[in-house]
Amino acid sequence: DAKTTQPPSMDCAEGRAANLPCNHSTISGNEYVYWYRQIHSQGPQYIIHGLKNNETNEMASLIITEDRKSSTLILPHATLRDTAVYYCIVRGGAAGNKLTFGGGTRVLVKP
Amino acid sequence: DTGVSQNPRHKITKRGQNVTFRCDPISEHNRLYWYRQTLGQGPEFLTYFQNEAQLEKSRLLSDRFSAERPKGSFSTLEIQRTEQGDSAMYLCASIGTGDYEQYFGPGTRLTVT
Repeated sequence: DAKTTQPPSMDCAEGRAANLPCNHSTISGNEYVYWYRQIHSQGPQYIIHGLKNNETNEMASLIITEDRKSSTLILPHATLRDTAVYYCIVRGGAAGNKLTFGGGTRVLVKP
Repeated sequence: DTGVSQNPRHKITKRGQNVTFRCDPISEHNRLYWYRQTLGQGPEFLTYFQNEAQLEKSRLLSDRFSAERPKGSFSTLEIQRTEQGDSAMYLCASIGTGDYEQYFGPGTRLTVT
């Protein structure tokens, strides 16, 4: 699986959009971009995934660049409960493949 | 559907003792994963099962570690002769056929003194 690079931490104001970047310059054609988050003392939680098109669900939006070398997770209206570590993961096409976590981005939402 | 459950949630043991953790996946999920997470790091893959077959083991899984999923439902992870370096959060996840989302349990936090 391709390696990902994320900033170690970022702050966000409550109610504002949080834009979390991820670089995955070695991604191959059949690899998906997944985002998970981990709230303190809990197991990771799936957020969203995509291959090349932008995706949106009730939690977030995922914007993938045309060359697929980077992506951005957008939390449209951050709340205090969104404070967590966010992991960007690149994974091969088979849905059951193991997840390879990096260091993630520690997001602190401030009132 | 009650989600993935893990027991115990916390375990404190003395170095050299054996410990066993249990994971109950979401029913009918055929794949089950174990991960280990140390403080400040992301989870690291240990092993996974498809039904009762253990299909992959990480090099992190030393000879002191053994995992089973005897009937393709719950799984156990045993650590023999624990060492202080085994102190970590042990996470279990499950996924069903055709799904894209791994569902994680709350983890078992092991402290070896």
